[in-house]
Amino acid sequence: EVNLVESGGGLVQPGRSLRLTCAASGFRLEDYAISWVRQPPGRGLEWVSAISGDSGRTGYAGSVKGRFTISRDNAKKSVYLQMDSLKPEDTAFYYCTSPRLAPNSFDTWGQGTMVTVSS
Amino acid sequence: QSVLTQPPSVSAAPGQKVTISCSGSISNIGNNFVSWYQHLPGTAPKLLIYDNTKRPSGIPDRFSGSKSGTSATLGITGLRTGDEADYYCGTWDSSLSATWVFGGGTHLTVL
Repeated sequence: EVNLVESGGGLVQPGRSLRLTCAASGFRLEDYAISWVRQPPGRGLEWVSAISGDSGRTGYAGSVKGRFTISRDNAKKSVYLQMDSLKPEDTAFYYCTSPRLAPNSFDTWGQGTMVTVSS
Repeated sequence: QSVLTQPPSVSAAPGQKVTISCSGSISNIGNNFVSWYQHLPGTAPKLLIYDNTKRPSGIPDRFSGSKSGTSATLGITGLRTGDEADYYCGTWDSSLSATWVFGGGTHLTVL
């Protein structure tokens, strides 16, 4: 069964760091890009970052560029989102997702992990 | 404010049809494929339409997608109370650096 499972969320103070993990199973992770998408409370979906299957390309939303770093370890079937200098506006439900069906859409999603940035 | 513009809400009665619009520009919808997602907060979003018009396996043909120029539309026929959710369009935006953009989302109420 194809599965993505996020972990690492929690409560963190502004300015601190947190690392999210997306664990994949049931498919060859190295064949697919992975993106992180978040939903702040009461707001819509926001794409955060993406990484290609071979880690050769990465991309970031303007709101997190310079603070978040995406990486992957295909041998461990995992993708990571290192979040530094966290701000209250980073508070959101974070999902990892993959375009396994077609390169221009996201068909495989995890259940998400909540990140709360508050003092 | 989202790069892709959707109406905040739409509503219709059970059994009726509804359309949700998504307006963008040449750098996103105009030159890229559009996809549509159904989402209940706190749960995983579900892909409804990809590559403008295609449905993944398991998505009923009550859901349809279309695209013309810099706009796209999601259609839902035979509305059911279970269709009540938030709906998002999405596509790549190739201005400056390539980023993925979602519409602001449309809440569908089935009256």
